[in-house]
This record gives sequence, C-alpha cells and structure tokens, in this order.
Amino acid sequence: DAGVIQSPRHEVTEMGQEVTLRCKPISGHNSLFWYRQTMMRGLELLIYFNNNVPIDDSGMPEDRFSAKMPNASFSTLKIQPSEPRDSAVYFCASTLDGISSYEQYFGPGTRLTVT
Amino acid sequence: EDKVVQSPLSLVVHEGDTVTLNCSYEVTNFRSLLWYKQEKKAPTFLFMLTSSGIEKKSGRLSSILDKKELFSILNITATQTGDSAVYLCASYSGGGADGLTFGKGTHLIIQP
Repeated sequence: DAGVIQSPRHEVTEMGQEVTLRCKPISGHNSLFWYRQTMMRGLELLIYFNNNVPIDDSGMPEDRFSAKMPNASFSTLKIQPSEPRDSAVYFCASTLDGISSYEQYFGPGTRLTVT
Repeated sequence: EDKVVQSPLSLVVHEGDTVTLNCSYEVTNFRSLLWYKQEKKAPTFLFMLTSSGIEKKSGRLSSILDKKELFSILNITATQTGDSAVYLCASYSGGGADGLTFGKGTHLIIQP
C-alpha cells in the first residue's frame, strides 16, 4: 500500500494567492483528517470527514480555509486568500473507523510558505 | 479550553539510557490519551490509553495513564539513536474536530 499521499510536498506562494493542498487517503479508509503543525501551536486538527462527509469543521481557523472530499479517494484543503501566518506543515491522515480508531496513518505533509 | 502539556520540551541522552516523557492534561469529558512518534515527517501512532493504571508495551516502549492525577508517561528503555524523534501526546474528549488536543511535543535526541 502506498500510504496516504499528499501533494505538493512543498509550496511557496505570495500572500493573497490561492493555495490548494491535496490528499489521497489509504484505500478502504473511511475517515480523513486535516492537521496543521507549527512551532507555536503544535499539531492542530482542522477538520475531519467520515464517509466523505465533513463531521466537524470547528477546528478550521477562519473563512479563508475550506475543505472538500468529493469522493472516498480524494480531499482538498484550500486557503483563499493565503496569508503569511498560514505558513505551516499541513498533514492529512486517514483511518478506518472514524475518530474512535486512533491508529491514524499520516501522509508526509505539505510544507507551505506564504511570503 | 482543553490543554495538554508535555515535559520536558527537549531531552538529550546517551544511547542505552532510559527516558521518561511526561504528558499532563486538563480536558473536559476526557476519554483517551494518545502517544505519537514524529521523526522527520509525519507522526506515527504508538499507543492509546483509556484506563488508568494499565500499562501498554511495545518493545522497549511502554506507557501508562493516571486518570486521577491527569497525566501519562512514556518510557523508553535501552534507548537507540533511532528513537530520536519528537514524541507527541494528544487527548481525546469525544466528538468532532475539537475532540483532539495535542501537546507541543518532547524533542528527544539520543547521542551515540
């Protein structure tokens, strides 16, 4: 199994630009999580999906952030417009049985730098 | 607001030493505590602890939860350079994205 796949691995963009991060969960997993990691705030859960449905997006920092999961094998996290404070590593993780199954498998992350 | 505090923030020891990493929590509706190991890339799951006093072991790693004193420890015996990583603990209080709260991690460095 290829594991959780994220793209791009690194992105550098200018403030105000739209950023789209992509994630392909492990085949057969029915829950997908988006996290953000910074030195200041550590690892934060942004949103999670169960069976392609967003269960709770209260972790999403503000309206500039949006996430979609159009099918079981693909999710996007979009930031529009991006700001320098969005610079972080964004992880996607998947698991089989929802948030009660804690053995989450993380992707390699996307390192986002907004200048 | 739920809070998870890990200590120490960083730790440098020699190969072969035993280390104890600490995690304390203040969480409403606490349900479980989780430990992850993060090397250069993404966190990997180590343990989930739900019951007080029951030790979980995996090789040289072990962990235990104290729900009365609201803390957990992660022990690593006979440390190896491959144990060098950031160790994260997280609490789960149930329901939604707010349910997972991570500590900032302990950066462990094992010197040969």
